[in-house]
Amino acid sequence: DIQLTQSPSSLSASIGDRVTITCRASQNIKNYVNWYQQKPGKAPNLLIYASSDLQAGVPSRFSGSGSGTDFTLTITSLQPEDLATYYCQQSYGASYTFGQGTKLEI
Amino acid sequence: QVQVVESGGGVVQPGESLRLSCAASGFTFSKIGMHWVRQTPGKGLEWVAFIRYDGNNKYADSVKGRFTISRDNSKNTLYLQMNSLRAEDTAIYYCVREGGHWLATFDYWGQGTLVTVSS
Repeated sequence: DIQLTQSPSSLSASIGDRVTITCRASQNIKNYVNWYQQKPGKAPNLLIYASSDLQAGVPSRFSGSGSGTDFTLTITSLQPEDLATYYCQQSYGASYTFGQGTKLEI
Repeated sequence: QVQVVESGGGVVQPGESLRLSCAASGFTFSKIGMHWVRQTPGKGLEWVAFIRYDGNNKYADSVKGRFTISRDNSKNTLYLQMNSLRAEDTAIYYCVREGGHWLATFDYWGQGTLVTVSS
């Protein structure tokens, strides 16, 4: 299976900050990466698909980039409602896998 | 609005079986692929199985041969039959709609149903 490693595992930031989360794949997965936000007690929510495409209804302060093995999720101007755990996920392999998550504290 | 609602979770002993159901509404279920994804505090999120609109399916290696995903398009319902359950299958199980993009995405999630495998 393709392994995804996120960093950092946790992150503390302030309102208005720019935050970057990285996801590294164990092999070249082109741009087959999606990003999800999971708020406490809730199911995950799709933010970004195909590395950089914003899912409908997601605020434009969220953006994604990368290809091959290295990917980033960026949140510009952090808001209180962005408190959550963020996961990358790959759809390249026969079996879909997730990163271990990055917990964002504000 | 799109809704997926899981049911059927519970406490079972190792080796026993359980069937999860997922009632879908707000979209044309018969034309959309569906997934099961599970989550544990220790292992995080794990994709379990996928079924295409026409019944074609695939599984994670960890459940292959023990779990069966199926669907009844006439009832707008997705199922997961889980046999030979193990302690490591303990998790919240989410029913998830395939996002319909050119790559597999998970765009609508249910609230989850808890499965506990314990003696």
